[in-house]
Amino acid sequence: NAGVMQNPRHLVRRRGQEARLRCSPMKGHSHVYWYRQLPEEGLKFMVYLQKENIIDESGMPKERFSAEFPKEGPSILRIQQVVRGDSAAYFCASSPLQGAGSGELFFGEGSRLTVL
Amino acid sequence: GQQVMQIPQYQHVQEGEDFTTYCNSSTTLSNIQWYKQRPGGHPVFLIQLVKSGEVKKQKRLTFQFGEAKKNSSLHITATQTTDVGTYFCAGHYTGTASKLTFGTGTRLQVTL
Repeated sequence: NAGVMQNPRHLVRRRGQEARLRCSPMKGHSHVYWYRQLPEEGLKFMVYLQKENIIDESGMPKERFSAEFPKEGPSILRIQQVVRGDSAAYFCASSPLQGAGSGELFFGEGSRLTVL
Repeated sequence: GQQVMQIPQYQHVQEGEDFTTYCNSSTTLSNIQWYKQRPGGHPVFLIQLVKSGEVKKQKRLTFQFGEAKKNSSLHITATQTTDVGTYFCAGHYTGTASKLTFGTGTRLQVTL
């Protein structure tokens, strides 16, 4: 049973380019969370999605960032016109249940974005 | 806003010594979870506490949830080099059940 799959594991972009990060949740999980982690810092919540719905995007920057979780295929976190401050590890996590009743989150290995 | 602070930020111990990290929330939590992240790795779930005053043990690890459900602690007895990593608490806030808010983390270094 494969875990949460994220790709790419490492991504290098120049300022102004677009970054697309993909996440396939564990089999049977319909809830996906994205977190951002700056070096030597904690995990900051960005967005929580279910299939075809954004449930909570309170942690997502208002501009340049978007996320989706289509009916078919992986969840995608898209960052347009990247800036150096976007350099971070982006972790995806999935759970089979919603919110406080979800128990543990299963994390992927992360996508490490470097903006030159 | 809702914040979860952890202390200490960093601790360096010798193998065999005990270690404790404390987690404090500004408001009441509906539950608390603990995760471990090895250097260069991803967070891995350790445990969840739900009840006020709850205490759970996993081998050398003891987890506690405060009576007011605003604080928690993780205690490791007789640390080993395999305990190295960053320990995060994370909680769901009452009324905002959708997202898990992570603490600031405590980085543990263990040397021989």
